[in-house]
Amino acid sequence: QSVLTQPPSASGTPGQRVIISCTGTSSNIGSNTVHWFQHLPRTAPKLLVYDNYKRPSGVTDRLSASKSGTSASLAIGGLQSEDEADYYCASWDDNLNAWVFGGGTKLTV
Amino acid sequence: EVQLVESGGGLVQRGGSVRLSCAGAGFAFSSYRMSWVRQAPGKGLEWVAYIEQDGSETHYVESLKARFTISRDNANNSLFLEMSSLRAEDTAVYYCVRFSWNYGLDVWGLGTTVTVSS
Repeated sequence: QSVLTQPPSASGTPGQRVIISCTGTSSNIGSNTVHWFQHLPRTAPKLLVYDNYKRPSGVTDRLSASKSGTSASLAIGGLQSEDEADYYCASWDDNLNAWVFGGGTKLTV
Repeated sequence: EVQLVESGGGLVQRGGSVRLSCAGAGFAFSSYRMSWVRQAPGKGLEWVAYIEQDGSETHYVESLKARFTISRDNANNSLFLEMSSLRAEDTAVYYCVRFSWNYGLDVWGLGTTVTVSS
């Protein structure tokens, strides 16, 4: 069981907007920044969001993210078929002294 | 191009040992904290360990610290993970990951697969 809680699946049709949630506790999301990753089979996970809402250079602006208290969310607008992937949230946990991840959300377009 | 390439995975007997390697290229390897993250079949990502830039400090997920050892060779831009007393539940893809203070876990390799046979 993952320390951070994500819905196992999400879906949308092309052009729609989908939101993926990530719930943690005061020792992880409540105290530290949240990062989001996209993972396609047999590829390297890709950093999509760091520091709660910032996008690295080259990441589409159809993505937006936010954090409030012990929860975070990733929104993907204008869904495209290439957005089909697994999405993971992550944060540092001060109690466990470890990076903790969500269980991943499989997005179907 | 910044890249990380893992190697050393394969089929290992239960109770056995294996050493994973990761070669970094395209960046100042010795300037970055490095981590290993794994993904068991059908499961999510699990952080394993990190090592500071100069190797002076290491840190592990509590459940693995007795059996896994992370190390690095900055002269050869390499990261290692020695795994011993392997169990079936250690079967996973192991990713080498760069940590940046600006961006977090920002560069990942393609991973190397370790399969522990029972």
